[in-house]
Amino acid sequence: DAGVIQSPRHEVTEMGQEVTLRCKPISGHNSLFWYRQTMMRGLELLIYFNNNVPIDDSGMPEDRFSAKMPNASFSTLKIQPSEPRDSAVYFCASSFQGHYEQYFGPGTRLTVT
Amino acid sequence: EDQVTQSPEALRLQEGESSSLNCSYTVSGLRGLFWYRQDPGKGPEFLFTLYSAGEEKEKERLKATLTKKESFLHITAPKPEDSATYLCAASNSGNTPLVFGKGTRLSVIA
Repeated sequence: DAGVIQSPRHEVTEMGQEVTLRCKPISGHNSLFWYRQTMMRGLELLIYFNNNVPIDDSGMPEDRFSAKMPNASFSTLKIQPSEPRDSAVYFCASSFQGHYEQYFGPGTRLTVT
Repeated sequence: EDQVTQSPEALRLQEGESSSLNCSYTVSGLRGLFWYRQDPGKGPEFLFTLYSAGEEKEKERLKATLTKKESFLHITAPKPEDSATYLCAASNSGNTPLVFGKGTRLSVIA
């Protein structure tokens, strides 16, 4: 298995632009998590899905952030408009229902100038 | 509020110098305590899950232990390739997010 796949790996954009991050979970996993990692705050959960349904989005910073999971093999995290404080590494992770271990993708490093 | 605290923030060891990393947690109804390794520029890599106090798990030079309030990651005779950030996380149910600590950055010097 290829593991969790994320794209792009790096994104540099200007303030105010729309940014879309993509994730393909491990085949057969039915829980998907979006995290953000910064030096100051460490790993923070943004949102998670079970069986493609958003369960808890209380970690989403504000309305500029949105996430979708149209099917079991694809999810997006969108930031519109982006701001410099959104600069961070964004990770997607997946797990199989009934198991606790989460497997992480390589992350997307976002820089907003 | 569920919380996971790791110490020290950074640890520098000579090759072969054994030590331990600490993870203390306040999670109601702990279901699992997890250890991950993260290399620079990569996502966290799963190492261990511990489910109950007294449980121990080993992998090569690493051994993780769990008590009712904390977990330890013991590193025996570390090598430079063990240098990484080690993250601890806790969960109080399946299919829910993990609460992560901020990690311990380990450097092993040859």
